[in-house]
Amino acid sequence: GAVVSQHPSWVICKSGTSVKIECRSLDFQATTMFWYRQFPKQSLMLMATSNEGSKATYEQGVEKDKFLINHASLTLSTLTVTSAHPEDSSFYICSARDSMSSTYGYTFGSGTRLTVV
Amino acid sequence: GDSVTQMEGPVTLSEEAFLTINCTYTATGYPSLFWYVQYPGEGLQLLLKATKADDKGSNKGFEATYRKETTSFHLEKGSVQVSDSAVYFCALYGYSSASKIIFGSGTRLSIRP
Repeated sequence: GAVVSQHPSWVICKSGTSVKIECRSLDFQATTMFWYRQFPKQSLMLMATSNEGSKATYEQGVEKDKFLINHASLTLSTLTVTSAHPEDSSFYICSARDSMSSTYGYTFGSGTRLTVV
Repeated sequence: GDSVTQMEGPVTLSEEAFLTINCTYTATGYPSLFWYVQYPGEGLQLLLKATKADDKGSNKGFEATYRKETTSFHLEKGSVQVSDSAVYFCALYGYSSASKIIFGSGTRLSIRP
């Protein structure tokens, strides 16, 4: 079945530094990938939709300059948290849609736990 | 816009008990409906899905039936196990959701041995 690899699975960084999270579709092409943020014991909040070869579409209230998204190929999207602060600490999850599948061909990565100290 | 409402947790049951987690939705047209499961520290896994009215999705002993008349997609399992302890999310994908999956708030399930 479709597999999405997300890396790293956890990261600790100092306040003010930037962190990059990768999301790869391993055995399928994904023209569209999604980035979610999940606070403890809460649901997933969609941050942005990443489109291959074009700019990402951000949800209302999400700072595009802080959460940089790049989708340079059909199998890779990256989320960079710039100038991270402790309030950015969260669980980030990506999802990829198989371009050749039906509308419910969404696969989720295993998530990245970011801790900013 | 489209939305999903699911019962609040946490839900705590004894092993072998019957499980129901309620989920209702609001959407234009005929959305596809899903249940996802998230085990501690992990991402989401698709548990089951249904794409049209009266469809029944099933997997690992879990079932849910797409009820358009009540706009519901309740998750059920006849006999839960400790290994079923996780957070369960009801979700939909519809024409008005612009290629996005809309998630419910999640229900945390704990099973006592």
